[in-house]
Parts: sequence; C-alpha cells; structure tokens
Amino acid sequence: QLQLVQSGAEVKKPGASVRVSCTTSGFVFSSYYLHWVRQAPGQGLEWMGLINPSGGSTTYAENFQGRVTMTWDTSTSTLHMELRSLRSDDTAVYYCARAPDSGYELDYWGQGTLVTVSS
Amino acid sequence: SYVLTQSPPVSVAPGQTARISCGGNDIGSKSVHWHQQKPGQAPVLVVYDDSDRPSGIPERFSGSNSGNTATLTISRVEAGDEADYYCQVWDSISDHVVFGGGTKLTVL
Repeated sequence: QLQLVQSGAEVKKPGASVRVSCTTSGFVFSSYYLHWVRQAPGQGLEWMGLINPSGGSTTYAENFQGRVTMTWDTSTSTLHMELRSLRSDDTAVYYCARAPDSGYELDYWGQGTLVTVSS
Repeated sequence: SYVLTQSPPVSVAPGQTARISCGGNDIGSKSVHWHQQKPGQAPVLVVYDDSDRPSGIPERFSGSNSGNTATLTISRVEAGDEADYYCQVWDSISDHVVFGGGTKLTVL
C-alpha cells in the first residue's frame, strides 16, 4: 500500500548538517514529484522544495537556496533531504509529501521527522 | 512572490457550517488545494483542484474558488473536524508551492 516512511528524530548542534530520509512504496514514482515541507513549533507550513524523481531535477525555495540538497535514490525508492549550517530556527518537523506531475496538490504526506537544533 | 492570506480562527457549534477563506491575487485562475492538520499529526488533503475530494473525505467538505478568494466549506461540523486548515497553490511564475498561514477551526 501507499507509504511514505520517514527517518527518526534528530538532535543537532548549530552549524551542523542533518539528513532526513523518506522511503516510499506503493506508487509509481515516475508519475509524481516529491516535496519537502517543514513546520516550526506552533507555526504554519513552509515549503522547502521539490525533486522530480525521473531525472533528479530540483527546485528549492529561496529561503533554503545554498543550504539544502534533495536527492532521490532509485534503487531504494528513498528521498533524502540534507540541510546544512543548521540554526536554532531550523528546529521543526520536516515532512516529505508527493504530488502528481499532472497537478500540484500534495496528496499524501509522510509522518514527519522532528529535527531539534540546540547547543 | 505569491501570497495567500487566510481568514482568522473560526469557532462553530456542532452541526453548523464552517467557512474558511483564502485570499490571493486572481486566485480564481489557480487550482486551490486544502489540507487539514490535527494536533501532532501530518496534514491530510481534504479538497483539491478547488472543489474535488480525495477518496475517503466526507461530502461535508467542499470548496469553491473565484476572483480573489477561495473558500473551504465544512457542513454539519463534527468534533473531529477541529483542526488547522491550510490552503495551497502552485505558483507557476516561481515554480513554487505556496501555503496560506493556516486557520484554526474550533468546534464548540
């Protein structure tokens, strides 16, 4: 069945990097784009970017340009997101989500991964 | 960049109708999607392409979109509908997903 299963919670120090993974199953990835969205405590949803698994092209939100890298591992159907130079305001729940390539509704979400940045 | 502005928090009694709006410049020319997020849970898509419902979403959830405002309507509100609701569009100029700031629905 359709699943987006994310890796576990992380605690990082300021300046470090974090890698969050999202293992997918139950759908044909070539018909979808995969997105990352984050949510700081008590705040709304913030779009980070997307990757087209068919080819690996990416688009990043301006707030994350130069600090984020999204990759797709076809052999394991796993999406990865690396965020570098972490700051305390990067503390958030990070979600992966898929959207059909014929539209842009995020129609299924992972369960979320809490990343805490603290010295 | 494209901006979506959502209505303030809404409180309704069970059985009544809740309406949540999402404003944006000429939003009527875009496809609007709505997500429901309950505390501690991931968002769930409840309406897509302005007014369509994914499988498993009750008919009580409906949407409309025209001019500069899109609206999510929840009829016969139930206690389980209490959640934050977010509108979402695709901005084809920037090739970015855009979310509204969210609206909290409280069921009295």
